[in-house]
Amino acid sequence: RKEVEQDPGPFNVPEGATVAFNCTYSNSASQSFFWYRQDCRKEPKLLMSVYSSGNEDGRFTAQLNRASQYISLLIRDSKLSDSATYLCVVNPLSYNTDKLIFGTGTRLQVFP
Amino acid sequence: NAGVTQTPKFQVLKTGQSMTLQCAQDMNHEYMSWYRQDPGMGLRLIHYSVGAGITDQGEVPNGYNVSRSTTEDFPLRLLSAAPSQTSVYFCASSYSVGRSSYGYTFGSGTRLTVV
Repeated sequence: RKEVEQDPGPFNVPEGATVAFNCTYSNSASQSFFWYRQDCRKEPKLLMSVYSSGNEDGRFTAQLNRASQYISLLIRDSKLSDSATYLCVVNPLSYNTDKLIFGTGTRLQVFP
Repeated sequence: NAGVTQTPKFQVLKTGQSMTLQCAQDMNHEYMSWYRQDPGMGLRLIHYSVGAGITDQGEVPNGYNVSRSTTEDFPLRLLSAAPSQTSVYFCASSYSVGRSSYGYTFGSGTRLTVV
């Protein structure tokens, strides 16, 4: 089983739609969780951290379910500029808090 | 602050050639790492360093060497390039406090083709 698994997509949605991505992780001791965004032929960039209580940043909401070991990202009112690949990222090692494991990403395409 | 700077942005090598990919960060981050990204494979960790003078292997270290003589620099050396090393290479740096990571800052990548 992969340490971090994501549905590769693509998710094709119209502008204004709400879309949700899920990600599962295998190590129950994981401490830090993130969503990254990667545009075509660019480097990944941190979108948001994921906190146990859930957190929101504008149109983006991240949730963590430790019991089921999954993380979600909800995007409301999708914009054309949201088209990108979204990477789920987990730090699985409590003794090496900088070693992050990346999922293979979920591709989102927003159309007019 | 420049963040994480990678050079070169593009490189074409012949099989058997060696080269060094440069990575420098000016954020005083202790942790630095090198990833390669291939279609359908996601980001795979090659080598990482938790501080100057300390390096360790990641998931796919074969064919690559690293060193960390300063906090700022973390070069990646390809010893004898092979077509299987054709990929996009990303350098990243980060810091953590206690048991919380603050995520990575990535360089803009090096697109390497080995012919």
